[in-house]
Amino acid sequence: DTEVTQTPKHLVMGMTNKKSLKCEQHMGHRAMYWYKQKAKKPPELMFVYSYEKLSINESVPSRFSPECPNSSLLNLHLHALQPEDSALYLCASSPEREGLFPPETQYFGPGTRLLVL
Amino acid sequence: SQQGEEDPQALSIQEGENATMNCSYKTSINNLQWYRQNSGRGLVHLILIRSNEREKHSGRLRVTLDTSKKSSSLLITASRAADTASYFCAPNTGGFKTIFGAGTRLFVKA
Repeated sequence: DTEVTQTPKHLVMGMTNKKSLKCEQHMGHRAMYWYKQKAKKPPELMFVYSYEKLSINESVPSRFSPECPNSSLLNLHLHALQPEDSALYLCASSPEREGLFPPETQYFGPGTRLLVL
Repeated sequence: SQQGEEDPQALSIQEGENATMNCSYKTSINNLQWYRQNSGRGLVHLILIRSNEREKHSGRLRVTLDTSKKSSSLLITASRAADTASYFCAPNTGGFKTIFGAGTRLFVKA
């Protein structure tokens, strides 16, 4: 299995809703990432997990809450979002070798297109 | 943080022509990667070139790296309509943080 899956593909939510995005990979990768991408812009890094521990938080607002329950799963919990949070949310994973090499190739999922009303 | 800057921002060519995209960056890198993104989809890794490499090929793709000029180029030969996509470079200085450049939007006309 050489892919990263994301669910749902599309999500519409109100500003008072709570929802979660899910990402899954079975490639044995130990680094997993969340990116946010606005239209016609590059992906922007939000969070990185390494060996199920949060390694990077790019000053993301607390209304986004990541969770890595195990080495194959990555969630992004959403609460009280704003319309400007509407974007494509991309998950990625990479075969990180702890402390030895920089992580190289990232494998991306197809993304969740989020619309906040 | 390290971010690539790509040039041109947009490129329109005829099928069969070659497409060249350039990426410049500011500090020393471990490697530089190129990714492709079809409209509204996830990114696909194309090729990685390490700092001690000067050129790399993969099928119709050729990537060069000039660390003295802090620049890289991606050449797609004999382009096809299916190559229409956005292309991003991603210089990596080590660690997890990947900062993607603004991207080049390539349109290949059939």
